[in-house]
Amino acid sequence: AQSVSQHNHHVILSEAASLELGCNYSYGGTVNLFWYVQYPGQHLQLLLKYFSGDPLVKGIKGFEAEFIKSKFSFNLRKPSVQWSDTAEYFCAVTISNFGNEKLTFGTGTRLTIIP
Amino acid sequence: GAGVSQTPSNKVTEKGKYVELRCDPISGHTALYWYRQSLGQGPEFLIYFQGTGAADDSGLPNDRFFAVRPEGSVSTLKIQRTERGDSAVYLCASSLVGGGTLPGELFFGEGSRLTVL
Repeated sequence: AQSVSQHNHHVILSEAASLELGCNYSYGGTVNLFWYVQYPGQHLQLLLKYFSGDPLVKGIKGFEAEFIKSKFSFNLRKPSVQWSDTAEYFCAVTISNFGNEKLTFGTGTRLTIIP
Repeated sequence: GAGVSQTPSNKVTEKGKYVELRCDPISGHTALYWYRQSLGQGPEFLIYFQGTGAADDSGLPNDRFFAVRPEGSVSTLKIQRTERGDSAVYLCASSLVGGGTLPGELFFGEGSRLTVL
């Protein structure tokens, strides 16, 4: 079965700092990769996704992620964070392209941005 | 509203009691998922419905947990003889399989927080 590791449990940054959150997955076959975000008091929402093609994907709010197949990684990046980026970020993977879109999530990274 | 709706938002119950959690998905979404999120953890898959049938219930922890979706829309997650370890946020998500939405693009509700005393 596939699994997802997020090694950064809590990251604290100042506004305008650059961000990189790590995500590694374990599965030998083809995967689809996602980053979901949960802002305080809100529901989980999709930030960005990778299915195929260009390994550098861009999402909402200036976020991007790079799929590196050889490293089984899908790290999330943002060049300059804002206070409003304070949230919990979850990396997720699914191995099925048909029907069942069961996601396997990592444990999440809590991001705190200091004004 | 246009999003996934879950009720109740908070439920406190006593050990051994029966609990029902309801999910109203986005209109027209054929797929519905239940996840459970414990403190400090990511969401864990419980069960997936495609239409009225449970296509994958491999995540249900034991036979105290059961879910239905009788008309292919609203779903109810039922927990019998609740235990303290069942305390968690139960998340519902829906998606439009085969309708142009790519795999994994789930739309989540705000969750039902269950506390078992």
